[in-house]
Amino acid sequence: QSVLTQPPSVSAAPGQKVTISCSGSSSNIGNNYVSWYQQLPGTAPKLLIYDNNKRPSGIPDRFSGSKSGTSATLGITGLQTGDEADYYCGTWDSSLSAGLWVFGGGTKLTVL
Amino acid sequence: QITLKESGPTLVKPTQTLTLTCTFSGFSLSTSGVGVGWIRQPPGKALEWLALIYWDDDKRYSPSLKSRLTITKDTSKNQVVLTMTNMDPVDTATYYCAHSMRAAVDTAMPNWFDPWGQGTLVTVSS
Repeated sequence: QSVLTQPPSVSAAPGQKVTISCSGSSSNIGNNYVSWYQQLPGTAPKLLIYDNNKRPSGIPDRFSGSKSGTSATLGITGLQTGDEADYYCGTWDSSLSAGLWVFGGGTKLTVL
Repeated sequence: QITLKESGPTLVKPTQTLTLTCTFSGFSLSTSGVGVGWIRQPPGKALEWLALIYWDDDKRYSPSLKSRLTITKDTSKNQVVLTMTNMDPVDTATYYCAHSMRAAVDTAMPNWFDPWGQGTLVTVSS
């Protein structure tokens, strides 16, 4: 069971908007930056959002990130069939002295 | 352009030790703040962080696997090696290495993992 909680699946029609939530605690999301990763079928994960809401070069502004308290949200507007993928949130967890990186359980996005 | 590639055995027997090598280019592990992490993904399941090593040889491990993992670096070869002892069928997964950066000088926290290698599937079976 993942430290960060994500919905197993979300779906929406092409052109619509979808949000994916990531819920944690004060030891992880509440006090550290969140990043989001997109994993297209059969490929390695790719960084989509870092530092809660920043996009790496080349990531379209259809993708956005936000954080409030111990939860983070990934938003995708203007959905395309090519957005069908698994999405993971990740952050540092400071609950142990050595710390550890944690991922959410992943959310499968279906573009109907 | 930063690239990483994992290499190692595709099949290991239970109780054996797995050794994976991440060979990278486009950055140096002697540069302040730079790190390389290992993450795995069992078939059809979620990502699981395993270990991380920084330029200054600071090493971090997943608490649940710490007793079985060792991460080392060879700066001259641009390689990071992960060893995992006492392999079990539940360790069957695709293993990825990824470039990272320390968030600040006074923390072990990485900002992100980017980019990732293509991954290598390791099957544990007798």
